[in-house]
Amino acid sequence: DSGVTQTPKHLITATGQRVTLRCSPRSGDLSVYWYQQSLDQGLQFLIQYYNGEERAKGNILERFSAQQFPDLHSELNLSSLELGDSALYFCASSASSGRRGDTQYFGPGTRLTVL
Amino acid sequence: GENVEQHPSTLSVQEGDSAVIKCTYSDSASNYFPWYKQELGKGPQLIIDIRSNVGEKKDQRIAVTLNKTAKHFSLHITETQPEDSAVYFCAASITGNQFYFGTGTSLTVIP
Repeated sequence: DSGVTQTPKHLITATGQRVTLRCSPRSGDLSVYWYQQSLDQGLQFLIQYYNGEERAKGNILERFSAQQFPDLHSELNLSSLELGDSALYFCASSASSGRRGDTQYFGPGTRLTVL
Repeated sequence: GENVEQHPSTLSVQEGDSAVIKCTYSDSASNYFPWYKQELGKGPQLIIDIRSNVGEKKDQRIAVTLNKTAKHFSLHITETQPEDSAVYFCAASITGNQFYFGTGTSLTVIP
């Protein structure tokens, strides 16, 4: 158990809908990272928040957004969902901003299925 | 951006044998290289990492080597056990926080 929690474990929704994925980092960790894992794209970095502020941005679509709250939990919002958004979404956390290559601890993931 | 290639995509070894997984990266500015193990239904778990100022690092049965000139790094698992069966991912990072992952290697250790 990494100490990172994600809810829900599974999510099934329809095209065009909007969903919110939630992540709680390990106790004391200030950074949260979001990743998408799909069969054709592999594990792709989406976005990082550090202590409430956006720190790094990867291949995140404009339809997706994220935020980190004062209690350090984070939410990833996916809107106007398409079939291709079906994937595993992982959250990871690290102790600091990650500039020195901090260990990232991954949560168990949320499996999103768009029908 | 950075591009990481990983080989092989699948690997089967007999229990007790060694397994080697290789990765290459494209951006010479990459300076941090973690390896993750992902078991079925779970998130990736860091097993070892190496920084660009080090050529080799070992942790019990697991070792990683880095060749900065050739821009490749490898994971070596010795005395493999059935519980080593999983998908292994290499990654490279320039900034330390944004990771570029390889496509994964599915390792099967045959008892």
